[in-house]
Amino acid sequence: KAGVTQTPRYLIKTRGQQVTLSCSPISGHRSVSWYQQTPGQGLQFLFEYFSETQRNKGNFPGRFSGRQFSNSRSEMNVSTLELGDSALYLCASSVKKGLAGGGEQFFGPGTRLTVL
Amino acid sequence: QKEVEQNSGPLSVPEGAIASLNCTYSDRGSQSFFWYRQYSGKSPELIMFIYSNGDKEDGRFTAQLNKASQYVSLLIRDSQPSDSATYLCAVNILRSGGYQKVTFGIGTKLQVIP
Repeated sequence: KAGVTQTPRYLIKTRGQQVTLSCSPISGHRSVSWYQQTPGQGLQFLFEYFSETQRNKGNFPGRFSGRQFSNSRSEMNVSTLELGDSALYLCASSVKKGLAGGGEQFFGPGTRLTVL
Repeated sequence: QKEVEQNSGPLSVPEGAIASLNCTYSDRGSQSFFWYRQYSGKSPELIMFIYSNGDKEDGRFTAQLNKASQYVSLLIRDSQPSDSATYLCAVNILRSGGYQKVTFGIGTKLQVIP
């Protein structure tokens, strides 16, 4: 079974631009979560999508947004990029098993975003 | 108080020793607990999960959970240089409506010295 894929793997943008990152979950996984990872802050939760609906959101400004499609693929968008947005953006997928949830997440390789 | 706390390390252990990694969490509603390993430049990979109080063993790894003390740990027996990585503790909280929230600790860097 193929793993989580993310595209692109590397991006260089300048301040003020916007960027869209893509994530394809493991087949059969309906939940996709996004994280930002920086050396100082560690892994910080951005948002989670399940069945095209945002289920949970972290403490990030509205410049960070996302969506999920009917095939469970997800995109996240960052508008008006700032230098501090430089980070590794990780996508993780998991299986939802009713109310018990399925917290075992499988991560993609990440997109390394550099803002100049 | 952080929701999930870990000592960032580095924790240095000699090859063949037992490495003990610790994590505390603040929300008593936490349901499940995970340990991820992240090699430098790579993404995290799940190595253990535990839901119930007590110990859970998988090969050289043992996860220990004490909900009363809000404490979860990971023991690595017969540590190998290939175990050198950052170990992330993650806690899953089940909210109302079936929603879940996963919070990660900062991670503990483990160095196994040959």
